[in-house]
Amino acid sequence: GDSVTQMEGPVTLSEEAFLTINCTYTATGYPSLFWYVQYPGEGLQLLLKATKADDKGSNKGFEATYRKETTSFHLEKGSVQVSDSAVYFCALRGGSNYKLTFGKGTLLTVNP
Amino acid sequence: EPEVTQTPSHQVTQMGQEVILRCVPISNHLYFYWYRQILGQKVEFLVSFYNNEISEKSEIFDDRFSVERPDGSNFTLKIRSTKLEDSAMYFCASQDRATDTQYFGPGTRLTVL
Repeated sequence: GDSVTQMEGPVTLSEEAFLTINCTYTATGYPSLFWYVQYPGEGLQLLLKATKADDKGSNKGFEATYRKETTSFHLEKGSVQVSDSAVYFCALRGGSNYKLTFGKGTLLTVNP
Repeated sequence: EPEVTQTPSHQVTQMGQEVILRCVPISNHLYFYWYRQILGQKVEFLVSFYNNEISEKSEIFDDRFSVERPDGSNFTLKIRSTKLEDSAMYFCASQDRATDTQYFGPGTRLTVL
């Protein structure tokens, strides 16, 4: 079945540091890929998505590229801010169904 | 901006009791979902609901679980005969037909004692 593996946390960075959170997936067919973010006390919010190979999703300075050859969708940001502190979830939607399959989530803490 | 809301934010119940978790999806959305996250584990799909019926469910969604859209606005998850292992954060999500984006509520933390 479909599965998502993402980097174990927690990740602690200083403000303006470079961020990478790794995500790899297993799926049949051609899934759509997502990054969701959960700020403290809030629900899951879509951060970015990519629906086909080589697509790059981007939002709020975050980027991720759909790499079919390595089955990866790593999240990157060049310069993190304290306000980026949150839990980040990688997810896929496979095939013809609509359900999302999530990774475990990675807690990011950014210190001033 | 429209959002998905969930009540209550925290529900504590005794093992064997019934609970109802409530969600108000975004008003023009047609697809509805429940997910759960046991502490420290992955967010797991429970059930999807479209056109007033279940379209898909996971093996977690056994016969103790049911969903309902009783009045065209609320979307509820009922768990009968709760077990300790039902303790988790439960997320509701809704999706419109035009995009493949699911919008999530803030979650209900269920604690079964």
